Amino acid sequence: QPVLTQSSSASASLGSSVKLTCTLSSGHSSYIIAWHQQQPGKAPQYLMKLEGSGSYNRGSGVPDRFSGSTSGADRYLTISNLQSEDEADYYCETWDSNTRVFGGGTKLTVL
Amino acid sequence: EVQLLESGGVLVQPGGSLRLSCAASGFTFSSYGMSWVRQAPGKGLEWVSSVGGSGYSTYYAESVKGRFTISRDNSKNTLYLQMNSLRAEDTAVYYCGKLTGGGTGYWGQGTLVTVSS
Repeated sequence: QPVLTQSSSASASLGSSVKLTCTLSSGHSSYIIAWHQQQPGKAPQYLMKLEGSGSYNRGSGVPDRFSGSTSGADRYLTISNLQSEDEADYYCETWDSNTRVFGGGTKLTVL
Repeated sequence: EVQLLESGGVLVQPGGSLRLSCAASGFTFSSYGMSWVRQAPGKGLEWVSSVGGSGYSTYYAESVKGRFTISRDNSKNTLYLQMNSLRAEDTAVYYCGKLTGGGTGYWGQGTLVTVSS
């Protein structure tokens, strides 16, 4: 089954951009993933679907400051014009025929 | 508007049982797979179980296989998780999720299960 690897933390300044990475395990580099945001004390929220081609589809109501891209087995989430409310944990998710997997999450601090 | 409302989380003793429910609205419930995902205190998200739209196909994480049972009642638009032989390590917030072609497209607000004597 696939494994997703994320850095445990990241930080960036208010108004700047940040790029978070989610890496698929060997043999799974073509998999589709989803990105989710979890603000402190809240339930996760779906951000987008990101395909191996780099094509992405944001969920309903997700600002266009959030975008996705791909390079090989790496799936990226870029947040532009960082706002204070973007300080959160970010998780990637993938799936196959009979299992679902989440990455360990990246805690984003907005300075 | 899609809404998912979990209930049933309580304090239970090790070895005990519990049934969680997730009431769904705002979409054609029987047309979508559903899942349970949990989050232990201070930890990340862990997939627990999924079920297909008809209820016939079910899938489990190894950590809960043989102890938990996922089911759904499409006439009541409700998803269930029967949890038996509970352990301290099952302590977590349990979220239900609506599955789409793009992952877990919608999340409930979660319900807290605490396993402790």
